[in-house]
Amino acid sequence: GQSLEQPSEVTAVEGAIVQINCTYQTSGFYGLSWYQQHDGGAPTFLSYNALDGLEETGRFSSFLSRSDSYGYLLLQELQMKDSASYFCAVRDGAAGNKLTFGGGTRVLVKP
Amino acid sequence: GAVVSQHPSWVICKSGTSVKIECRSLDFQATTMFWYRQFPKQSLMLMATSNEGSKATYEQGVEKDKFLINHASLTLSTLTVTSAHPEDSSFYICSAPYQGYNEQFFGPGTRLTVL
Repeated sequence: GQSLEQPSEVTAVEGAIVQINCTYQTSGFYGLSWYQQHDGGAPTFLSYNALDGLEETGRFSSFLSRSDSYGYLLLQELQMKDSASYFCAVRDGAAGNKLTFGGGTRVLVKP
Repeated sequence: GAVVSQHPSWVICKSGTSVKIECRSLDFQATTMFWYRQFPKQSLMLMATSNEGSKATYEQGVEKDKFLINHASLTLSTLTVTSAHPEDSSFYICSAPYQGYNEQFFGPGTRLTVL
């Protein structure tokens, strides 16, 4: 089966940097995704890493180490609107490309 | 980006009734769609994979006779919660992969409350 671990909650101030770690145990690994979800809303795609290394998209970056079954999402220059839940998810290409989500990390940005 | 819609956005029903939720890909075709359930402050749990033209694939522990899935066309999948009970109250979200499976687009979700 699949399992993903990520911290349940992180609090930081505006302008700070937050790193959300995600470790996973899975079979048929194709890639690690990150999604953002505001309360009451739908998850929105942030990034996808299939290969080792860092992917940068604006203020958000995502990293993957396949050998360590580990990845992280880096949120820089935090803004109040970044307060949300962040989920890592593993894509299982051997099982219909379905996503298995981690428990989610609730990020609270304070002024 | 691609757009996925869901209807209704919220529904309240009496225990024992059935509720149908629609998921549509508005500007692309989706041979596969996914249905999730999310309880408050919890993660998304995959319920089933909806496949156009064939039977849905259900995750372990999900009752296929209770959660009926029909993928009628390349842009529409429906989830019917049959004989709903209060414990079925949850946030139901669908998603569809776009141009490969690296990125999935999620519908806005349907909040179901069973009285």
